[in-house]
Amino acid sequence: QKEVEQDPGPLSVPEGAIVSLNCTYSNSAFQYFMWYRQYSRKGPELLMYTYSSGNKEDGRFTAQVDKSSKYISLFIRDSQPSDSATYLCALSGGFQKLVFGTGTRLLVSP
Amino acid sequence: KAGVTQTPRYLIKTRGQQVTLSCSPISGHRSVSWYQQTPGQGLQFLFEYFSETQRNKGNFPGRFSGRQFSNSRSEMNVSTLELGDSALYLCASSSGSNEQFFGPGTRLTVL
Repeated sequence: QKEVEQDPGPLSVPEGAIVSLNCTYSNSAFQYFMWYRQYSRKGPELLMYTYSSGNKEDGRFTAQVDKSSKYISLFIRDSQPSDSATYLCALSGGFQKLVFGTGTRLLVSP
Repeated sequence: KAGVTQTPRYLIKTRGQQVTLSCSPISGHRSVSWYQQTPGQGLQFLFEYFSETQRNKGNFPGRFSGRQFSNSRSEMNVSTLELGDSALYLCASSSGSNEQFFGPGTRLTVL
């Protein structure tokens, strides 16, 4: 069993939809939670960073962490075609080592 | 503020050769981490350097090595290249807060 599980998709939604992306994990030592967006043939771009249970909002993005359930989510409101990319969750127990999910490919159609 | 830069962006090598990749972190960042990304295995942690010292290492063979210089720039070396080493190699820099910012990567193709 992988430490971090993420549905690879693809997830196809129409423009304007609310998107929900999720990861589950098994290691309770993870304390830091990140979401990255990666466009084709580019490096990952940090979208959200949090280290506690609860919600964190930044513009159209909301990150949610439930440590008791070992479940993290990223919500995208009013999705745009430019949001089409692969979204990766990344978790860390500290010491700079990130453990990534496989990534979910998102397609937003106009 | 300039982001993380990696050189070269693309590289083609043959089996048995060795390769050196370079990474310049964001100004002021002292931690540099390296990751390998492949379609089959996804993103995997190689190692992390802080103040010229390797602090953490992933599960890769000894053919993969790195170093960091006093100006925080880092290099990664892969010796005796194998076909399976073909991947996107990503460098990430951090000020130490666990937030990591990635560069564009070096795409290595081994023939």
